[in-house]
Amino acid sequence: KQEVTQIPAALSVPEGENLVLNCSFTDSAIYNLQWFRQDPGKGLTSLLLIQSSQREQTSGRLNASLDKSSGRSTLYIAASQPGDSATYLCAVGYTGANSKLTFGKGITLSVRP
Amino acid sequence: EAQVTQNPRYLITVTGKKLTVTCSQNMNHEYMSWYRQDPGLGLRQIYYSMNVEVTDKGDVPEGYKVSRKEKRNFPLILESPSPNQTSLYFCASSGHRAEKLFFGSGTQLSVL
Repeated sequence: KQEVTQIPAALSVPEGENLVLNCSFTDSAIYNLQWFRQDPGKGLTSLLLIQSSQREQTSGRLNASLDKSSGRSTLYIAASQPGDSATYLCAVGYTGANSKLTFGKGITLSVRP
Repeated sequence: EAQVTQNPRYLITVTGKKLTVTCSQNMNHEYMSWYRQDPGLGLRQIYYSMNVEVTDKGDVPEGYKVSRKEKRNFPLILESPSPNQTSLYFCASSGHRAEKLFFGSGTQLSVL
């Protein structure tokens, strides 16, 4: 069974801190990996998409990396701000899975002013 | 504006009363999918569609039906809702499996 794990479930940091959110997956035959942000009561917004042939993607203060051999992805957030407070989910698309995504349960981030 | 639109946003119903949650996207996407999100269980896929008239089961399809008669619309049908279908439902779409997935704002369903 393909599983995606995100630990810890919650994280609280002071404003300005650089932080890393982790995502691990059990099957290395992935097609791509996406990081999403979800605000309370809202839908998910795709932040970064990494194809299996790529090692990382960057958007503004966000950088996502992918290491298929170790089954890990990290989302790096530079100079965190209170507006970054949200739940961050990673989702893995597996080869041959017809676009099905397997989601982690998310990390709820709180950035304290 | 590119978007995925779900309706209704909130729905309270009673056991056994058929309901439909609509989903529409304006991006000409081929792929559409339904998810439910429950505390402690995360997001689980219900059904997905690779294109018009092509649908398939996800992880938790029991008690749900879908149809894809037009490219832009992908309604979720609960023929006889039960309390265990109380959940937050999301519709999503993408142009291709290699592309970003766009989500609707969600439908909070309560079945009494």
